[in-house]
Amino acid sequence: RKEVEQDPGPFNVPEGATVAFNCTYSNSASQSFFWYRQDCRKEPKLLMSVYSSGNEDGRFTAQLNRASQYISLLIRDSKLSDSATYLCVVMKLGSGYALNFGKGTSLLVTP
Amino acid sequence: DVKVTQSSRYLVKRTGEKVFLECVQDMDHENMFWYRQDPGLGLRLIYFSYDVKMKEKGDIPEGYSVSREKKERFSLILESASTNQTSMYLCASSLNRGRRFFGPGTRLTVL
Repeated sequence: RKEVEQDPGPFNVPEGATVAFNCTYSNSASQSFFWYRQDCRKEPKLLMSVYSSGNEDGRFTAQLNRASQYISLLIRDSKLSDSATYLCVVMKLGSGYALNFGKGTSLLVTP
Repeated sequence: DVKVTQSSRYLVKRTGEKVFLECVQDMDHENMFWYRQDPGLGLRLIYFSYDVKMKEKGDIPEGYSVSREKKERFSLILESASTNQTSMYLCASSLNRGRRFFGPGTRLTVL
């Protein structure tokens, strides 16, 4: 089983739609969780950290379910500019500094 | 804002050549990383460094070495480039164990 798994998509949604991405991780002792965004031919950038209690940043909501080892990202009222690849990222236990990146979920928001 | 720069955006080398990829960060970050990103495989960690002259192997160190003589600079070296090292190489830095700041990437082609 891969350490971080995501549905690769692509997800094609119309503007204004709500879209949810899911991610599962295999190491139950993982400690930190993030969503990164990567635009085409650009570097990944941190979108948001994911906290146990769930957290929201504008139209974006992240949730963590430790029991199920599951992370989600919800985007409400999608914009054309949300089109990108979304990477689920998990801190490896005991690695000190290494993060495990999922392969990413591709989102295309259409007019 | 943190700035991470990489010496080249595009590089074409021949099999067997020695290749140097340079990365510089301007925020006095302790930690620096080299990743490669390939379609279908996602981001994979090659090497990282948490201090000057310190280095740790990542998930795929074979065929690569690194050098960190100064805090702001982290170099990736391909001793003898091979075609399977054709990839996008991304450098990153971080102050702590969480957020990574990525450089724009170097797309290396080995012929």
